[in-house]
Amino acid sequence: AQKITQTQPGMFVQEKEAVTLDCTYDTSDPSYGLFWYKQPSSGEMIFLIYQGSYDQQNATEGRYSLNFQKARKSANLVISASQLGDSAMYFCAMREYNSGYSTLTFGKGTMLLVSP
Amino acid sequence: DAGVIQSPRHEVTEMGQEVTLRCKPISGHDYLFWYRQTMMRGLELLIYFNNNVPIDDSGMPEDRFSAKMPNASFSTLKIQPSEPRDSAVYFCASSRDNSYEQYFGPGTRLTVT
Repeated sequence: AQKITQTQPGMFVQEKEAVTLDCTYDTSDPSYGLFWYKQPSSGEMIFLIYQGSYDQQNATEGRYSLNFQKARKSANLVISASQLGDSAMYFCAMREYNSGYSTLTFGKGTMLLVSP
Repeated sequence: DAGVIQSPRHEVTEMGQEVTLRCKPISGHDYLFWYRQTMMRGLELLIYFNNNVPIDDSGMPEDRFSAKMPNASFSTLKIQPSEPRDSAVYFCASSRDNSYEQYFGPGTRLTVT
């Protein structure tokens, strides 16, 4: 079974609108972290935001926020006031802290296109 | 602060040739990761090191792939002999410890003809 599922291969949004990118995860480890990365067309992977499984509040980082619903095992990324520069591939990832390994498991990604 | 440095940024080689990819992690980071990204398989972890010691190499596709980390500031990923199916973008990433985010290098785009 996939550990990270991103069901939206592509999303379109108009500039200045908000957009939500979906991510669901599967783990039995009570201690885990969820990460979002952005990959623009230039190719680099840019870390955006982190949510720990024990964090009481949803993470926020500027225009990025993480809608963490633990019971549903979802960690959706919300981008407010989209900008043209937000057009990129977005990856959700998870690290399980009790597994004994430090690896990140990535989803397949969602391509976001922001139009003027 | 300098980020993760990878070289070369692009590599084109012929099938059968040896390819060496290089990585310099962020100073002070104890973990180093090598990933491969393709359209078909997405982002895959190949191997990772902790304090220069390989911890998990289960993602290394086959014996043609090898990775070393002789010191805290340098790692190599070698493919010998290379094959066309090795064509991909190879990323190196580093992190401070188990709890922190990984910082990625710019990647090396490898094309094997």
